[in-house]
Amino acid sequence: QKEVEQDPGPLSVPEGAIVSLNCTYSNSAFQYFMWYRQYSRKGPELLMYTYSSGNKEDGRFTAQVDKSSKYISLFIRDSQPSDSATYLCAMSDHSGNTPLVFGKGTRLSVIA
Amino acid sequence: GAVVSQHPSWVICKSGTSVKIECRSLDFQATTMFWYRQFPKQSLMLMATSNEGSKATYEQGVEKDKFLINHASLTLSTLTVTSAHPEDSSFYICSATAAGGPNEQFFGPGTRLTVL
Repeated sequence: QKEVEQDPGPLSVPEGAIVSLNCTYSNSAFQYFMWYRQYSRKGPELLMYTYSSGNKEDGRFTAQVDKSSKYISLFIRDSQPSDSATYLCAMSDHSGNTPLVFGKGTRLSVIA
Repeated sequence: GAVVSQHPSWVICKSGTSVKIECRSLDFQATTMFWYRQFPKQSLMLMATSNEGSKATYEQGVEKDKFLINHASLTLSTLTVTSAHPEDSSFYICSATAAGGPNEQFFGPGTRLTVL
């Protein structure tokens, strides 16, 4: 079993839809959880950063962490064509300068 | 937000030549920088972790003599692909974490290397 599992998609939704992206993980020591957005031929951009369990909201984006289920989610409300990108989850068991463990990324297309 | 730059953004070189890629943290000090490569439609593959003033730690399977990493200052790390071959063609991305901060990694825009 891989440390982080993420459905690669592709996922296609109409504009305005609510998008749900998910990752599961096996390492119970993970405490720091991130979501990155990557446009084609660009570097990943940090969208959300959460520590431990709970929800975090930023505009149209909500990140949820359920450590008991080892499951994290990113919700995008009122999705826009500009949200079309690959979304990568990432996590770590330490603060500080340790490598992140990434999911494979989910390709999202929002159709106008 | 924290900004990381990379230079060049793309490079084409002949087989056998060496190519240097720079990664800079523009508005923060980065004690640690990471180098990744990414093939089309695939996720990031960590190549090495670079700490300022010390030798880089390479991931298993990554040739340290081929991919030379130098982290000479708190704002600059370089990756040199030595004697590049077509199979080294890829998208190389660096990231950096801020000194004393949580491990949010900020990524550069990437460098596309094509070896002819």
